Amino acid sequence: NAGVTQTPKFRILKIGQSMTLQCAQDMNHNYMYWYRQDPGMGLKLIYYSVGAGITDKGEVPNGYNVSRSTTEDFPLRLELAAPSQTSVYFCATGKGLAGVGEQFFGPGTRLTVL
Amino acid sequence: GESVGLHLPTLSVQEGDNSIINCAYSNSASDYFIWYKQESGKGPQFIIDIRSNMDKRQGQRVTVLLNKTVKHLSLQIAATQPGDSAVYFCAENTRPGNTPLVFGKGTRLSVIA
Repeated sequence: NAGVTQTPKFRILKIGQSMTLQCAQDMNHNYMYWYRQDPGMGLKLIYYSVGAGITDKGEVPNGYNVSRSTTEDFPLRLELAAPSQTSVYFCATGKGLAGVGEQFFGPGTRLTVL
Repeated sequence: GESVGLHLPTLSVQEGDNSIINCAYSNSASDYFIWYKQESGKGPQFIIDIRSNMDKRQGQRVTVLLNKTVKHLSLQIAATQPGDSAVYFCAENTRPGNTPLVFGKGTRLSVIA
């Protein structure tokens, strides 16, 4: 089992460019999450999904979009990239939200917007 | 050594000593807490969790203590090893039931060989 995979590992964008961060899981978990982690800080929830076709905003959703057409994939879309979106992005999966077991994290995507 | 939580983000401990990492939470409605370990360049890894109906839970070399009266959570690592060097995050659900976790800023643990 690959667990949670994220691509790309690194990316540099120019201001105003767009990109999609990919996240895939083979754990058959219904719940998936996107976090961002700024240097020296904790993780902030961007969006999450409780199953295919259902997404919800987290703490910092502005500037991002998500979709969940399958159980396995949960891509994160950045439109009009801004320097404030420079961060490390982590995708995670879980059997449920808080209280229903741990979340499993991918290796992260390091994004720099110049 | 002991960390007083977010106000001292770095904790240095001698190899073989016990480590105590503290976390203060503000929401008395939180009923689930979890500790994660994040090594440099990697995603967070689950260490241990605890529900609010418990005050102590033990794992392999780790113990989590929950004091709801003062809204305080701690992670104790016994016989700290160099491989324990990482940033440790506490996380909580801020509303009862199945709600997304909210993560703290983390404490960096450095183990001195």
